[in-house]
Amino acid sequence: ETGVTQTPRHLVMGMTNKKSLKCEQHLGHNAMYWYKQSAKKPLELMFVYNFKEQTENNSVPSRFSPECPNSSHLFLHLHTLQPEDSALYLCASSQDEAGQETQYFGPGTRLLVL
Amino acid sequence: QKEVEQNSGPLSVPEGAIASLNCTYSDRVSQSFFWYRQYSGKSPELIMSIYSNGDKEDGRFTAQLNKASQYVSLLIRDSQPSDSATYLCAVIRAAGNKLTFGGGTRVLVKP
Repeated sequence: ETGVTQTPRHLVMGMTNKKSLKCEQHLGHNAMYWYKQSAKKPLELMFVYNFKEQTENNSVPSRFSPECPNSSHLFLHLHTLQPEDSALYLCASSQDEAGQETQYFGPGTRLLVL
Repeated sequence: QKEVEQNSGPLSVPEGAIASLNCTYSDRVSQSFFWYRQYSGKSPELIMSIYSNGDKEDGRFTAQLNKASQYVSLLIRDSQPSDSATYLCAVIRAAGNKLTFGGGTRVLVKP
C-alpha cells in the first residue's frame, strides 16, 4: 500500500451517465495528480494540483472535470464520456519540494465506457 | 521526437542473469529521474530515483544516469521470475513537478 487510495476500483458507465472518481492520500503531500493509461500508450498526465490549486491542465477535454477540495482529496467528475475514454485512471501524490518529487500512485480505477 | 523513449521489448532474460534497460530523454534541463515497475493490471510502484550523474544501487537494482548523453538506465541483477513486469522511465524537468513517462519496457524473466 502506498498511502494513496482510489474508489471505485472498477467502473462501467454509459455515455450519458455522470460519475465521479475519488482519490485520497494519507501521506501529508501537497501535490496531487490525475493520469490516464490507455492500452499501448504511455501514461498521460491530465491534471496537477498544488496546495489545492490547479497548476496543470494537459489539454484535457471538458467532459473530465477535476476537483480538489483540500490537499488530501482529489476527484475526477465524468460526464458524457466516449468509448475511447475507457482506460485506467491513476491518481498520484507527491511533496512539492525540490528533491522530494517522487510520486506515489494509487491502485487506479479501471473505467469502461459503453 | 518523444520526450522520453524506451524500447518496448519484450526483453527476455534467463533467471539469474542481468537485465539491462535503457531510457533516453530529449530535454537537457531535466533534473529528476525515476524508474517505476508496473505489473499487469496494477499501478506503477517506485523502484529508484536518481538525480546526479553516476550509479545508484539499491539491492539488486542499479540506476545509472548520464546527463551529457541524456540517458538513464536500470540494471536488475540476479533476475527473478517475479521481476517480470513493465518498467517505466519517468523524468521531471528543472522547474515544476510534471512527470513525463516513457512507454515502458516489458521484461520477461524465464525460469
